[in-house]
Amino acid sequence: GQQVMQIPQYQHVQEGEDFTTYCNSSTTLSNIQWYKQRPGGHPVFLIQLVKSGEVKKQKRLTFQFGEAKKNSSLHITATQTTDVGTYFCASNAGGTSYGKLTFGQGTILTVHP
Amino acid sequence: KAGVTQTPRYLIKTRGQQVTLSCSPISGHRSVSWYQQTPGQGLQFLFEYFSETQRNKGNFPGRFSGRQFSNSRSEMNVSTLELGDSALYLCASSWPRTADTQYFGPGTRLTVL
Repeated sequence: GQQVMQIPQYQHVQEGEDFTTYCNSSTTLSNIQWYKQRPGGHPVFLIQLVKSGEVKKQKRLTFQFGEAKKNSSLHITATQTTDVGTYFCASNAGGTSYGKLTFGQGTILTVHP
Repeated sequence: KAGVTQTPRYLIKTRGQQVTLSCSPISGHRSVSWYQQTPGQGLQFLFEYFSETQRNKGNFPGRFSGRQFSNSRSEMNVSTLELGDSALYLCASSWPRTADTQYFGPGTRLTVL
């Protein structure tokens, strides 16, 4: 089955610094999704990428899907304390498997004011 | 629209007991997926139900089971609880037209003593 590896496991930054988390797979992914989970909360969908080389932006967040569809990244510019949480990448096999997400281990982001 | 709701929010059980968790999806959503979240294993897919049928299944023992009702509400059951079943159990629902976006509920925190 699909497996996605996510690094780093932890990231501590000063407010205003940039942050990047990476997802890698040994197999070609149908898609990649990103979720954010605040401390004590539940995962919240951020975005989905499906095309090779796709880049999408949401304000200070930039999401990329690799050309080979085997890796993805989430980059946050000028972090704020509201960015604190765990960021997960996830993927499904497409088709009727859209309800079965395989998650990366997550990157826990701490932002020091 | 109301979000995904899960009951109960917290549960304490002892080894050997069984437990039933409930999930009410967002109105109109027909797919309900269940995930187990633990610090060591991260987010792991349990199973997914669509139109009262189990459509996808993860790699969990048969002690973990679920069902879905005609109104799309879903329940999961864990029999013969083990200490290692202590986890946050999350359900997520999705709508056919936005199939890849999963909306998570707040989760049920299960503690097995």
